Amino acid sequence: AQKITQTQPGMFVQEKEAVTLDCTYDTSDQSYGLFWYKQPSSGEMIFLIYQGSYDEQNATEGRYSLNFQKARKSANLVISASQLGDSAMYFCAMSPDQTGANNLFFGTGTRLTVIP
Amino acid sequence: DTGVSQDPRHKITKRGQNVTFRCDPISEHNRLYWYRQTLGQGPEFLTYFQNEAQLEKSRLLSDRFSAERPKGSFSTLEIQRTEQGDSAMYLCASSRSGLSNEKLFFGSGTQLSVL
Repeated sequence: AQKITQTQPGMFVQEKEAVTLDCTYDTSDQSYGLFWYKQPSSGEMIFLIYQGSYDEQNATEGRYSLNFQKARKSANLVISASQLGDSAMYFCAMSPDQTGANNLFFGTGTRLTVIP
Repeated sequence: DTGVSQDPRHKITKRGQNVTFRCDPISEHNRLYWYRQTLGQGPEFLTYFQNEAQLEKSRLLSDRFSAERPKGSFSTLEIQRTEQGDSAMYLCASSRSGLSNEKLFFGSGTQLSVL
């Protein structure tokens, strides 16, 4: 069975500072994908970044980077230069197959608040 | 992309009534997903379609739930004999299959309240 754990219910960060949102996962699969999604108050889930289990380099997408530590089964999201618009819920998710996003399994989320 | 659209945004119904939600995916996307999200939780997978074929269903999808995607375009999710436990946000997502880092594009959801 797959499990995603996000231990930080809420986080605060000063505008323009960097913040790390934690995510650990558990799976017996060798091939899997890890995702981060942002959910603003409007409700829509917005894709941020993806890391495949066989990818050797950490994924980066603009101000987002994923700190992937396979042996520790962690996939932390780092947001650099925080902006007020980054305030939202952030969800870590896993797919059972590195090649697709079928049946994504989500964590409980972290609410990020950016302080001016 | 015009985005994934869901209708209605909000639905209030009485216990025992039937409700139907609609999802229009991004036009060139052949996969369509339904998720359910309750307060304080992440979305939970319900079912997905590739074109018009329903390929996977979660055990969360009881017999009261049925989803269709005629002609592989829009999809409907019907809940029969609603119960208070069905109150949740129902999210639809679509994607283009075959990509190594397949991204799901989500709609804004339908918030269901069962009284």
